[in-house]
Amino acid sequence: DAGITQSPRHKVTETGTPVTLRCHQTENHRYMYWYRQDPGHGLRLIHYSYGVKDTDKGEVSDGYSVSRSKTEDFLLTLESATSSQTSVYFCAISDGVRGVGDGYTFGSGTRLTVV
Amino acid sequence: GESVGLHLPTLSVQEGDNSIINCAYSNSASDYFIWYKQESGKGPQFIIDIRSNMDKRQGQRVTVLLNKTVKHLSLQIAATQPGDSAVYFCAENGNKFYFGSGTKLNVKP
Repeated sequence: DAGITQSPRHKVTETGTPVTLRCHQTENHRYMYWYRQDPGHGLRLIHYSYGVKDTDKGEVSDGYSVSRSKTEDFLLTLESATSSQTSVYFCAISDGVRGVGDGYTFGSGTRLTVV
Repeated sequence: GESVGLHLPTLSVQEGDNSIINCAYSNSASDYFIWYKQESGKGPQFIIDIRSNMDKRQGQRVTVLLNKTVKHLSLQIAATQPGDSAVYFCAENGNKFYFGSGTKLNVKP
């Protein structure tokens, strides 16, 4: 999607290794989010950021950490990957206070497989 | 791009017919609702939203209906086209933002 890119698009990693996913935006939006998408579940919020160096936990934050040192970049780190973290990860950005609606733009996702 | 091989409810419709996709939400305090479309290999894309003080809202070929009594949301797509084939899911925003797991729409030519 225009204005938001995720990298890598695919990654296979071994259990116990650290992994970092990157979300980059060119929209200068204040809010950035990391979601995971799994079969049988809706998108679930991992962490979000409401400004540089300002982050907070979502509903499934265990095993994940994030950092935002610049407005345009939001990094998601799996400190020690587990098979349960095999998923598709989506980054989203918004300029609204509640982060909803047509100001909520998603990236194209990263498929992470932990073997 | 990425998508998830979801074992989802599937709705199959003939091209040109109308489609109705349903969603039950859980939080009676939710006051804002959104429908998203997710095509294979892409991230979710906003379609239409509705606030709880409304029961109907129309967009281009799409209509969202909200029934707060039974906590039900529906998305109607008029004159369904092959390009409408995708996974559709609703999201509700009360004190938190929750996404449904979705319905897969197959449009048969």
